Amino acid sequence: DGGITQSPKYLFRKEGQNVTLSCEQNLNHDAMYWYRQDPGQGLRLIYYSQIVNDFQKGDIAEGYSVSREKKESFPLTVTSAQKNPTAFYLCASSSGTRDEQYFGPGTRLTVT
Amino acid sequence: RKEVEQDPGPFNVPEGATVAFNCTYSNSASQSFFWYRQDCRKEPKLLMSVYSSGNEDGRFTAQLNRASQYISLLIRDSKLSDSATYLCVVNPLGGYNKLIFGAGTRLAVHP
Repeated sequence: DGGITQSPKYLFRKEGQNVTLSCEQNLNHDAMYWYRQDPGQGLRLIYYSQIVNDFQKGDIAEGYSVSREKKESFPLTVTSAQKNPTAFYLCASSSGTRDEQYFGPGTRLTVT
Repeated sequence: RKEVEQDPGPFNVPEGATVAFNCTYSNSASQSFFWYRQDCRKEPKLLMSVYSSGNEDGRFTAQLNRASQYISLLIRDSKLSDSATYLCVVNPLGGYNKLIFGAGTRLAVHP
């Protein structure tokens, strides 16, 4: 089955620790995106990548880092510099021919 | 002014009712528009794309009014399974660029 997978589904970390969220897609999509969703708010873009080895900051990139070494994979690292990391993190991808983005199931990160 | 604004609801309607959501956007040059559905604690799922004046898929109709900068979603013959949050989404530039998400309108369909 084609789709986007994110792991883990739930993640708990202590303050001061870096944590990496996984995102893999087998849709052969060129572009991949990371969003953050907080309760009662719309999704906000963290980073996006249009091609391998290239990525751009979104609206709220501070405290996050990404890499795009393979077309299928776009991991997100939440660093200790992110002041409010507890959130629902969603990865998405899109093809080169249409604007629609398709989402993975998300990772709920809780930092205490 | 927010880039994409939606009435947060909730809209509480009985099964079989017709319900309409409106969404306004601020960038008059926006290229493409979408409605996503998001169930509680799940990822958004694409419901409809709107590239021209509108789109229809079964019980769902989306309409775009570029002059007034709003998009609407009409759901006819509501089902219990339609209960969810509906996200209005705008792509201001088209292509590989960020989507702007509204905060969503919550719909609750009751028996």
